[in-house]
Amino acid sequence: AQSVTQLGSHVSVSEGALVLLRCNYSSSVPPYLFWYVQYPNQGLQLLLKYTSAATLVKGINGFEAEFKKSETSFHLTKPSAHMSDAAEYFCAVSVSGGSNYKLTFGKGTLLTVNP
Amino acid sequence: DSGVTQTPKHLITATGQRVTLRCSPRSGDLSVYWYQQSLDQGLQFLIQYYNGEERAKGNILERFSAQQFPDLHSELNLSSLELGDSALYFCASSVAQGTGETQYFGPGTRLLVL
Repeated sequence: AQSVTQLGSHVSVSEGALVLLRCNYSSSVPPYLFWYVQYPNQGLQLLLKYTSAATLVKGINGFEAEFKKSETSFHLTKPSAHMSDAAEYFCAVSVSGGSNYKLTFGKGTLLTVNP
Repeated sequence: DSGVTQTPKHLITATGQRVTLRCSPRSGDLSVYWYQQSLDQGLQFLIQYYNGEERAKGNILERFSAQQFPDLHSELNLSSLELGDSALYFCASSVAQGTGETQYFGPGTRLLVL
């Protein structure tokens, strides 16, 4: 069964600083990986997804993530944080095989951006 | 705006009651997923429908059921409600069903059981 671990339930950065949100996955088959963002009182919005086409994936709002098979990681980064980036971020995995196409989510990382 | 709509936005009810949550997928999407988000369990997959047929079940209690109608909207029925059922319930939709398909999430229904 697949699983996702997000290291750090809360990350705090200063405005303009690098954002790094960590995600490690566990899967016996090649995974599809996703990052979603949830703003307060809103639903989840897709930031980016990895589907094996390229290991460096660029998403919306200046975010990107790199798939590293050897490290089973899919960390999310952004060079310069904005106040508007404050939200909760979820990493998710989906694997091929069978008929269940569910997303398995990590527990989320709450990003705080300080002025 | 993802194009997925969910009603109602908020729901307050008492233990033992039954409620129905409604989801309308994005235009053209055939697959609907239901997820539950709670503080202790996080985001958990409940059930998936594709073009009217149930395709996969996750951690869905027997007191919960769902269906997808011919017009592709879906309903999640929660019965004999308990305090622990209080959570945010999300619906998501995708064009097809497949591992790499992007799931688009609705704004959620916040259920409070008193």
